[in-house]
Formats: sequence, structure tokens, C-alpha cells
Amino acid sequence: AQSVTQPDIHITVSEGASLELRCNYSYGATPYLFWYVQSPGQGLQLLLKYFSGDTLVQGIKGFEAEFKRSQSSFNLRKPSVHWSDAAEYFCAVGPMDSSYKLIFGSGTRLLVRP
Amino acid sequence: DTAVSQTPKYLVTQMGNDKSIKCEQNLGHDTMYWYKQDSKKFLKIMFSYNNKELIINETVPNRFSPKSPDKAHLNLHINSLELGDSAVYFCASRGQGYNEQFFGPGTRLTVL
Repeated sequence: AQSVTQPDIHITVSEGASLELRCNYSYGATPYLFWYVQSPGQGLQLLLKYFSGDTLVQGIKGFEAEFKRSQSSFNLRKPSVHWSDAAEYFCAVGPMDSSYKLIFGSGTRLLVRP
Repeated sequence: DTAVSQTPKYLVTQMGNDKSIKCEQNLGHDTMYWYKQDSKKFLKIMFSYNNKELIINETVPNRFSPKSPDKAHLNLHINSLELGDSAVYFCASRGQGYNEQFFGPGTRLTVL
């Protein structure tokens, strides 16, 4: 079955510290991969996406993610977290077909200590 | 200049009522989606329309009926509302040939 696992329900980091949010997926083939961020009371904003090519992708707000096929992972990283990064982060996978039906992970809430 | 908009932002209603949520996108996209986010933040797709044609219809009670009058609009009508329908409903859209979806701000539905 297709699924996305975000093993950390919440993570707390200090401002200025580095961040890594984990995402593992189970899929029949290499899917499209996405990270979205949801600020409190807001919709989802796309941070970055992977379709093919370079396995390290850069996104907005200083985020990057690395696709590792052997580990079925697509972890999100940021070298220095800002207080404004506190939000809920969702990893999602989508098929390489016309449905583009996204399957989301359960989310990781990021808390930032001043 | 809002890309994907939803109305209303909040909706509080009684069990058994019928209500609608509206979604509009001004991105010129061909495909629109409805997602439900439950109290644990879990997001699940409900429906998708491509050029007014239903292409995704997940296992959703038939009390939920999407309607797409044109490709810029996708509305969600819910009959006989139940407590379990309380959630945040997100609309999204996607342009042809692109894979990322753009989400609206969400509609928080509370059924009392």
C-alpha cells in the first residue's frame, strides 16, 4: 500500500540550530515527492519538490531535501532555523500519472526555542 | 490577487444541516481538488476535477457532493451534516503539465 511516514510528531529546536525532518515513503515506483509547510490557521505552502535528476533539491526559505532511493526517504533540512519556521511540516508523495493524487504524511510540528 | 480562495473561512452549523463550501482559483489551472484535514492534522484527498470532469472520487460518504460549474470553481456541498464531518477542508489546484498543487487557506467546519 502507498503510504508516507513522518516518524516525529513534533520536534523542538533552538533558534539558529540545524533541523532535519524525516520522511519515508512506501510506493510502487519512484513517485514525485513534496514538502509543504502549514503555519497556524493557514493553508499549505509548497517548500520544495523532487521529480527527477539531482537528488538534493533546494526550496524556499532556505530549506533543502535529499531523495535517497535506497532508503525510500526524502528528509527535509535547514542549516539554521528561524523562529518564523515554527509550523507544521507535511511530506507528500504523488504518482507519475495523470491523477497526481497526493498522499500526505501525518505531519511534524516544529517548535522553535528562542 | 489571491491564487486559491475559499469561502467561508469558518463555518459553524448544527447536525443535520446542509452546507456548501466554495473554492475559486485564478491561476488558470485545469485540475482542482478537495482535501479533508482531521483533528489530528491528517490530510486526505476527497475529490478531484479536471476541466469540470470528476477524475478522483475517494471513499467519501455520498452526503458529500462536489460540483464544478467551470474549471475555475469547485464547490463542495455536504448534506445531513454529522459530528464527524468537523474538520478543515482544503481546496487545491494544479496546472496542466505541472505536478505541484496550490492550496487555499482552508475552511474550518464545526458541526455541533
